Amino acid sequence: SQWGEENLQALSIQEGEDVTMNCSYKTYTTVVQWYRQKSGKGPAQLILIRSNEREKRSGRLRATLDTSSQSSSLSITGTLATDTAVYFCATPTNSAGNKLTFGIGTRVLVRP
Amino acid sequence: NAGVIQTPRHKVTGKGQEATLWCEPISGHSAVFWYRQTIVQGLEFLTYFRNQAPIDDSGMPKERFSAQMPNQSHSTLKIQSTQPQDSAVYLCASSSVNQDTQYFGPGTRLLVL
Repeated sequence: SQWGEENLQALSIQEGEDVTMNCSYKTYTTVVQWYRQKSGKGPAQLILIRSNEREKRSGRLRATLDTSSQSSSLSITGTLATDTAVYFCATPTNSAGNKLTFGIGTRVLVRP
Repeated sequence: NAGVIQTPRHKVTGKGQEATLWCEPISGHSAVFWYRQTIVQGLEFLTYFRNQAPIDDSGMPKERFSAQMPNQSHSTLKIQSTQPQDSAVYLCASSSVNQDTQYFGPGTRLLVL
């Protein structure tokens, strides 16, 4: 498997709290994508981070990538009930960079 | 832009029957991907097309599964002689050439009884 066991998580938090989820991978990559999947929907990309960025922000989202430890994290600040979803990290596993391997995901429940 | 369209949204088949799933990619996207999602295995890559040509089908079960893209506006995933273990959500995604972002459809939930 491409993924470390710590990727499998379920979190329940109160609206307004911050949350961080982690992803560790086994095969070297220079790009990690984070996707969010809401119930009954397909995954939607939230943020893409490359190794030369180390940290990337988009609104309430912050992603990090540490290629030395082969890990990435996604943080959401000031969570909303609408952030309730499963969050996946994904890395490309082909030279073209478009065949994605997804982690098991982190299920986040934000209580209003 | 309607996004990626998948039909049907739900399909129930009996064991041994055939199931055909349809995907309409976003107009102008040249790459189409199929994934399968289950509780146990998570999101698994099945196959992908670029400019309608099959590029990588390494995730496709060798028997009973086939995918085609007869034109740039739709792709099909066909499962012959369906088995209960084929029950899953089948997701289609599309992207522009050289684009990292894949845009997913809502999926087709297949239940094989």
